[in-house]
Amino acid sequence: ETGVTQTPRHLVMGMTNKKSLKCEQHLGHNAMYWYKQSAKKPLELMFVYNFKEQTENNSVPSRFSPECPNSSHLFLHLHTLQPEDSALYLCASSQVTTGHNEQFFGPGTRLTVL
Amino acid sequence: GDSVTQMEGPVTLSEEAFLTINCTYTATGYPSLFWYVQYPGEGLQLLLKATKADDKGSNKGFEATYRKETTSFHLEKGSVQVSDSAVYFCALSDEAQGAQKLVFGQGTRLTINP
Repeated sequence: ETGVTQTPRHLVMGMTNKKSLKCEQHLGHNAMYWYKQSAKKPLELMFVYNFKEQTENNSVPSRFSPECPNSSHLFLHLHTLQPEDSALYLCASSQVTTGHNEQFFGPGTRLTVL
Repeated sequence: GDSVTQMEGPVTLSEEAFLTINCTYTATGYPSLFWYVQYPGEGLQLLLKATKADDKGSNKGFEATYRKETTSFHLEKGSVQVSDSAVYFCALSDEAQGAQKLVFGQGTRLTINP
């Protein structure tokens, strides 16, 4: 595997379910990100992890719970979601150095909440 | 805060037409600028980038020049192909706001007809 992988690619869940999204990066990067992409809205940054430490939480509801056990893996745990949480969830990684920040994205998980 | 504004889509062109997608930005510091492309069913891919004024990023026939005086980074291609149909995102990374944060425009959907 190369680049950034995400599983599952598609997920349908009810509002009372608990599920997890998984992201793995094979690039040796030290930072990982979760984004939400909804129709007709700009890409929204949700969480940032730098060297496994969460450095950003953009006012995301607590029904979304991230976990970063090591610098290669990132999870997004989901529980009691709402239909408006249906979206494409994108994971990205980067090597944080001084200067610009080029991020590499996974293919995303298309989430539908019924 | 920092922001990116792109021309509204959708944009529909015929094959071999000239393409321009406008992008302007506001930033506190001295940002790096990026164009990302998202093909149907996939995540975002970095198309090109520029890190300082007057730099020209180029890739796959696409070009964009970092214009500090007009705070712009317009994407151009001389002759588009059907395979260029995708959503294009302009983005910036500003060290003054934290080098890890990418700020995206809302995206411009491009459709090329044969």
